[in-house]
Amino acid sequence: NAGVTQTPKFQVLKTGQSMTLQCAQDMNHNSMYWYRQDPGMGLRLIYYSASEGTTDKGEVPNGYNVSRLNKREFSLRLESAAPSQTSVYFCASSVRLAGITDTQYFGPGTRLTVL
Amino acid sequence: LAKTTQPISMDSYEGQEVNITCSHNNIATNDYITWYQQFPSQGPRFIIQGYKTKVTNEVASLFIPADRKSSTLSLPRVSLSDTAVYYCLVGLPDTGRRALTFGSGTRLQVQP
Repeated sequence: NAGVTQTPKFQVLKTGQSMTLQCAQDMNHNSMYWYRQDPGMGLRLIYYSASEGTTDKGEVPNGYNVSRLNKREFSLRLESAAPSQTSVYFCASSVRLAGITDTQYFGPGTRLTVL
Repeated sequence: LAKTTQPISMDSYEGQEVNITCSHNNIATNDYITWYQQFPSQGPRFIIQGYKTKVTNEVASLFIPADRKSSTLSLPRVSLSDTAVYYCLVGLPDTGRRALTFGSGTRLQVQP
């Protein structure tokens, strides 16, 4: 299993450009998430999807849109990139392990710079 | 949302036991406590999770007092490879039902 994969690994955009970050998981998890992590900071939830066909806003959704294409894939779109969106973006999926709550599995991240 | 407070950084030496305490005064009845580890340039990795008393796995132990207003992650005999940022999370057990708050974490530096 590859786990959670993200593409691209690095991206540089100019202000106003758009792009889509791709995420896929092969663990048959129902829930998927998008976080951003600014330098020296913790992760902040952008959007999450509890199951295929549903999405919900997290802590910092402004400037982003998401699509849960199917159970495996969850994409994050920046319609008009701004320098404030320069960050590392992590995708995660989660599963309920026996007896405890959801455990999240993270991808390697996409490092985005907006000039 | 239950807010968590952790020390910003800690230093240790190889072979020592490290205890990182997390304060969560507003924890709700159904909240679980989860710890993640993050190495530079990688996504966080699940370490341990608990609800009350003590939980132990092959990596760490988690101590939770009766009032559940704090928790302590214990790493036995740390090595250089344990240098990372450690996050304490408090959340509900429902799949994807709430925003998980990672906070700034505790940056652990292990020296030889």
